[in-house]
Amino acid sequence: KQEVTQIPAALSVPEGENLVLNCSFTDSAIYNLQWFRQDPGKGLTSLLLIQSSQREQTSGRLNASLDKSSGRSTLYIAASQPGDSATYLCAVHPGTYKYIFGTGTRLKVLA
Amino acid sequence: EADIYQTPRYLVIGTGKKITLECSQTMGHDKMYWYQQDPGMELHLIHYSYGVNSTEKGDLSSESTVSRIRTEHFPLTLESARPSHTSQYLCASRGGTANTEAFFGQGTRLTVV
Repeated sequence: KQEVTQIPAALSVPEGENLVLNCSFTDSAIYNLQWFRQDPGKGLTSLLLIQSSQREQTSGRLNASLDKSSGRSTLYIAASQPGDSATYLCAVHPGTYKYIFGTGTRLKVLA
Repeated sequence: EADIYQTPRYLVIGTGKKITLECSQTMGHDKMYWYQQDPGMELHLIHYSYGVNSTEKGDLSSESTVSRIRTEHFPLTLESARPSHTSQYLCASRGGTANTEAFFGQGTRLTVV
């Protein structure tokens, strides 16, 4: 059974720091992995999708990597800003009907 | 930008009322999903659909029902709301093959009093 874990559960950093969020999954048989951002009380905003054949994807200050064999993905945020404060979720798509979500990392960037 | 919309955004309703949460997408996606999420907690899949006239229950047992008469609409209905139904409901859609992005609506926060 696929399980997705995100570490740390919460993170508080000063503005300007580069940071790394981690996502681990137990079954490497995935089609893709997607990173989302969720602001309090809101829906999920898609940040990056990495297909199983890809190693990384970049969008602006965000870079996501995927190491399928070791069951790991990282989301790198460069030069963090207070507006980056949110919960970050990773989700793996095993090729069946649904995504399997991690538990999320709550990020707070202090001004 | 994702074109998936949920209405209402917030709903406070009395116990026993029938409610329908609306979800619409203009991207022509065949796959649509409903998730339930309590504050600070994980997302739980309650319903999904592969296309018109296709609906399935998700992992979390729910007293709600869904319908998919048109590609763009995936409404969720509670026949008789109870305080235990208080939660946030998130709708999502995805098109194409397995390697396409999922897009989420802004959610409906339901409070049953």
